[in-house]
Amino acid sequence: DAKTTQPNSMESNEEEPVHLPCNHSTISGTDYIHWYRQLPSQGPEYVIHGLTSNVNNRMASLAIAEDRKSSTLILHRATLRDAAVYYCILRGLYNAGNNRKLIWGLGTSLAVNP
Amino acid sequence: GAGVSQSPSNKVTEKGKDVELRCDPISGHTALYWYRQSLGQGLEFLIYFQGNSAPDKSGLPSDRFSAERTGGSVSTLTIQRTQQEDSAVYLCASSVTSGRAGELFFGEGSRLTVL
Repeated sequence: DAKTTQPNSMESNEEEPVHLPCNHSTISGTDYIHWYRQLPSQGPEYVIHGLTSNVNNRMASLAIAEDRKSSTLILHRATLRDAAVYYCILRGLYNAGNNRKLIWGLGTSLAVNP
Repeated sequence: GAGVSQSPSNKVTEKGKDVELRCDPISGHTALYWYRQSLGQGLEFLIYFQGNSAPDKSGLPSDRFSAERTGGSVSTLTIQRTQQEDSAVYLCASSVTSGRAGELFFGEGSRLTVL
């Protein structure tokens, strides 16, 4: 069972910001929130991760709600290359069971219009 | 190369044949994962290796599936007596740590088609 919930699909225009939501209402206090994306015909690639504070890197920003039950991946200026499936997953403290398997849902398929 | 390497990239086989898929992880990465992705689906965990510890085989769908990791590096996933439902992309990932902050690096996958 996936521990995160994401919209099936979203659409954006090129050079506009994109906010990709993820709900994780059963998150535990020690779970890290990870985001990956999968471009067509490629393996997933890491985007960003965080625990409590908002995080920024060269690819994106991660905004984490104060209660940690949801998070939002922010692409500041979408490009055509950002069209991909975006996965939000949780990684727990103990390396066993589902923490090891990393439950991947279906993610959000992002389309970027030129 | 610097990334995770998988071979073959594409494999077409006949039902009943055995196949071997290879994964060459990033040097120094102790954790190695195999996942399967069917068309339009998310990733399905198959097996996990961590250093010299016993692998976690809990995701293997049947006893036709097996995997080994030699010398803590290269891994081979073997599917015996392939069935049409085995058709999928098989993804390998490695990580320098199995900890919760560890980033997974994926290969491009091996696409298996069973006729």
